[in-house]
Amino acid sequence: DAGVTQSPTHLIKTRGQHVTLRCSPISGHKSVSWYQQVLGQGPQFIFQYYEKEERGRGNFPDRFSARQFPNYSSELNVNALLLGDSALYLCASSLEPSWGYTFGSGTRLTVV
Amino acid sequence: GQQLNQSPQSMFIQEGEDVSMNCTSSSIFNTWLWYKQDPGEGPVLLIALYKAGELTSNGRLTAQFGITRKDSFLNISASIPSDVGIYFCAGQLGGAQKLVFGQGTRLTINP
Repeated sequence: DAGVTQSPTHLIKTRGQHVTLRCSPISGHKSVSWYQQVLGQGPQFIFQYYEKEERGRGNFPDRFSARQFPNYSSELNVNALLLGDSALYLCASSLEPSWGYTFGSGTRLTVV
Repeated sequence: GQQLNQSPQSMFIQEGEDVSMNCTSSSIFNTWLWYKQDPGEGPVLLIALYKAGELTSNGRLTAQFGITRKDSFLNISASIPSDVGIYFCAGQLGGAQKLVFGQGTRLTINP
């Protein structure tokens, strides 16, 4: 069975650009969460979606947005990229928000 | 915001040694989780703890949920080379499903 898949695996963007990261959850999982992991740190919560509705939002600026589609896949969008947005962006899925999460391998974003 | 203090930050041990790491918080959590992350990969769940005082094992790994609900520890017995990686603790509040992660413990094993 496929796990959580994220695309692309690596990405290089210039400051001020916009980026879209994609996540496909495990089949049957309806909840998707996004985390940002800066080098040398633990992951930080960005968003949680369940049944296409936002259920939680971390302490990130409005430049970060996300959505969940009818097939439960999800996109994370970041506008006006800053150098500090360089990080590993992790997607995690679960059957329901209160169940255990399985993480994907992440998208490594480098902003130059 | 909430933060978990994880210690030690790094460990250098010999193969076969036992390992102990812990995590403390200023806030109460209803669930404690321990993850391992290998380079280029996402975190993989090792052990989940759901009840204060709970002691749970998964092979050579043993973890406990502190009685105060503000701490947890993870022990690894008889370490082997594949145990190398970064170990993260994470806390989860009931009713708020986000995970709050510690800063990680980097484990290096000398053969």
